Amino acid sequence: EMVMTQSPATLSVSPGERATLSCRASQYVSNNLAWYQQKPGQAPRLLIYGASTRATGIPARFSGSGSGTEFSLTISSLQSEDFAVYYCQEYNDWPPITFGQGTRLEIK
Amino acid sequence: QVTLRESGPALVKPTQTLTLTCTFSGFSLNSNRMCVFWVRQPPGKALEWLARIDWDDDKWYSKSLKTRLTISKDTSKNQVVLTMTNMDPVDTATYYCARKGPLWNYFDYWGQGILVTVSS
Repeated sequence: EMVMTQSPATLSVSPGERATLSCRASQYVSNNLAWYQQKPGQAPRLLIYGASTRATGIPARFSGSGSGTEFSLTISSLQSEDFAVYYCQEYNDWPPITFGQGTRLEIK
Repeated sequence: QVTLRESGPALVKPTQTLTLTCTFSGFSLNSNRMCVFWVRQPPGKALEWLARIDWDDDKWYSKSLKTRLTISKDTSKNQVVLTMTNMDPVDTATYYCARKGPLWNYFDYWGQGILVTVSS
């Protein structure tokens, strides 16, 4: 059974600084990984798919990297609207798909 | 533009059957490779996929919930329906419908979600 582990659980960063979030897959997933942003009371929003491809309308300050089992999401200069919960999701070997437990990005 | 919207009861009693409807626009479930998922999220917890229905009426279910779920579609109404039997308080969650991306099983559009509380 696939397990997606995100770290840290909570990340405190000041506006304008860089944030790096990690996601580790328990099995090989190639580059079949997506990242989502979720704000309170809202649905998740697709940020990244294919591990590194930004979805339509996503600002360039969001970037994804990694392949295999280790992935990261970097936000280069945090804006106030970026403080949210971020989820990774693998889709390598359907079915199933698996989400990580999330990283809460909070203002320092 | 693509939109999805969930509807159904906000409160169900234990042992009852939940029926949720996803009404969508901006795409057709008759289109090749188009799929709609149901995903849920208990309060303060992570996301969990429940079911998927494909353009060709293939259906897929989470292994842990397979015996309780039924997904169906009405392409004339642009709707996908999910039923979940024998509801329990642990099924309290926000339920989302979401469209599968054009190539792979990530989600490019989501509904706003509907919070379903299971309580007597």
